Formats: sequence, C-alpha cells, structure tokens
Amino acid sequence: DAGITQSPRYKITETGRQVTLMCHQTWSHSYMFWYRQDLGHGLRLIYYSAAADITDKGEVPDGYVVSRSKTENFPLTLESATRSQTSVYFCASSPGPSNQPQHFGDGTRLSIL
Amino acid sequence: GESVGLHLPTLSVQEGDNSIINCAYSNSASDYFIWYKQESGKGPQFIIDIRSNMDKRQGQRVTVLLNKTVKHLSLQIAATQPGDSAVYFCAENRNYGQNFVFGPGTRLSVLP
Repeated sequence: DAGITQSPRYKITETGRQVTLMCHQTWSHSYMFWYRQDLGHGLRLIYYSAAADITDKGEVPDGYVVSRSKTENFPLTLESATRSQTSVYFCASSPGPSNQPQHFGDGTRLSIL
Repeated sequence: GESVGLHLPTLSVQEGDNSIINCAYSNSASDYFIWYKQESGKGPQFIIDIRSNMDKRQGQRVTVLLNKTVKHLSLQIAATQPGDSAVYFCAENRNYGQNFVFGPGTRLSVLP
C-alpha cells in the first residue's frame, strides 16, 4: 500500500538556494496538488495539475515552479528560497475532477534560514 | 512534533463520550464538503464527505451534518477514543476548478 510519498520529510536550507520537493503517487490519479500549511491558515493551494504536462496556479503560486512530465510525479521547486517559504508542504492527488476527496502525503517540513 | 495547529481551538472530551466539531463555510455556492483528520506529523486523512443535496451522512462512528441555510457543517464522533485525538478540519469545494477551501481546524483532545 504505497499511495503517495513525499521526500524529503525534513529539509533545512538557506535563503537564495534552490530546493526541490518530490511527490510520487502509485494510484495513477490524474490530479495532483501542492499545498502549504502555516500557523493561522488552513491549507493553501500552491499549484495543481490535471494531467501530465498540464499545470495551473493556485492561491499562492509566487516563488514556486512545478512540472509534471509523468503522471506519477509532481515535483515542486523553490527557485530562490525565502524565509517566508518556511512551512510544511503537502502533496495530494485525486482520481478525477472536483467533488472527489484528495489524498495527502505526510508532508515535507521545510525550514529556510 | 508538528507545530501546525498550536493556536487552534481545542475541544476536550472524555473517552467514551460523543464529540461534535463544527465548521462554518463561506460560500453558498459550495456543493461538496469533506472532513479530514490530521495527526501530529502526518498528512490530512479523509474521514467522510457530503454533497449539498444531502443533509446527513453516516460512516463508521462518524456522522456529518450539513445545514445549508446557515452554512454550517458538523462532524459527530460517537464513543470517542484516544486514537481520535487529532486536528480536524473541513474543506469546501466551490463548483469550479479544483480549489478546495480548507478551514483552520479544531484540535480534539480525548481525556482518559
């Protein structure tokens, strides 16, 4: 029962560095999502993807880049990390369009010094 | 441990009692709702969902109630157990795109 896995689980980096968070799902779900979770906020959508090579911005996309060359992978890159991007990042997937549950990975805790 | 949720509202219940967790949603056009459970250091876990054409839906030990008139959603957990201790939050889906809107959550603490 693999499901959805994120790596690394913990990452510390410095301001200005590039960092990539990985997400892999074994369900062959069409849709994948990246969220950040911060104190005082609910989960906020960064980017999502409806299929391979199709991505779209969410609520808070600035400073992030995504790609989806394969259905099962959806990496999130911070091109030049800033302290405000310190957060817990969650990847999720769902089998189809809206009105279906999203299934989440266990997150990556990212600290930017 | 997980730092998210340190300042969340907390509901404390005795083991064996029933728990009721409430959520107000913002958009009358929302037509699909989910309750998630999040344990420390883990990702959100799907509990139960409900569509706007229903008022109530039951699962195993959980019931979700939807009141569209006042835009209110509740999660009832029967016979609360220590393993139910977690942060619970609701999510609403507005009738376009993939954007769920997530609430900040309520921390449920089960007392022995």
